[in-house]
Amino acid sequence: AQKITQTQPGMFVQEKEAVTLDCTYDTSDQSYGLFWYKQPSSGEMIFLIYQGSYDEQNATEGRYSLNFQKARKSANLVISASQLGDSAMYFCAMREVLLYNTDKLIFGTGTRLQVFP
Amino acid sequence: NAGVTQTPKFQVLKTGQSMTLQCAQDMNHEYMSWYRQDPGMGLRLIHYSVGAGITDQGEVPNGYNVSRSTTEDFPLRLLSAAPSQTSVYFCASSAQDTYEQYFGPGTRLTVT
Repeated sequence: AQKITQTQPGMFVQEKEAVTLDCTYDTSDQSYGLFWYKQPSSGEMIFLIYQGSYDEQNATEGRYSLNFQKARKSANLVISASQLGDSAMYFCAMREVLLYNTDKLIFGTGTRLQVFP
Repeated sequence: NAGVTQTPKFQVLKTGQSMTLQCAQDMNHEYMSWYRQDPGMGLRLIHYSVGAGITDQGEVPNGYNVSRSTTEDFPLRLLSAAPSQTSVYFCASSAQDTYEQYFGPGTRLTVT
């Protein structure tokens, strides 16, 4: 069965510093995708970044980058130049293909990031 | 474009009551799904749909019913609410052959 593990319940980082949020995954599929979502205190789920298992380069979106190490089954999120608005819960997730060629997301338990001045 | 909308935002039910959580999307997405989020856990899939008239169970379907009569709407019905269904419910939609799921703002449900 597919599984996502986030071992850091909480992280602190000073404004303007970089921070890495850890994510490891387990799957026997050859083709899969990994996501990071941000959930601020207001509760909505905000898509940040996606990495496909066959993508040769690490995904980047602005200040977010995904450090994808396939052999180690890790997909860590790196946030550069942290801002106070980055304080939120961060979820790592993986696609699992269902019937009818649709897919579901399998989520980790999340990491709460707090950015301080 | 409103994206994915959910109503109500908050709801309190007594044990045994029934209710329907509404979800609508205006992006003409084929795929829609319902997740629940419990404290200390990520989201878990309840039910999903790949188009009007086609639904299937996810990871935690017990106590919930769904139907999809139109592309736009995907309501989630609680048949007889239980305290274990206290949770935040998210509806999501996605287009065929794309990976990104768009989430609604969530419904916070408390069952007493």
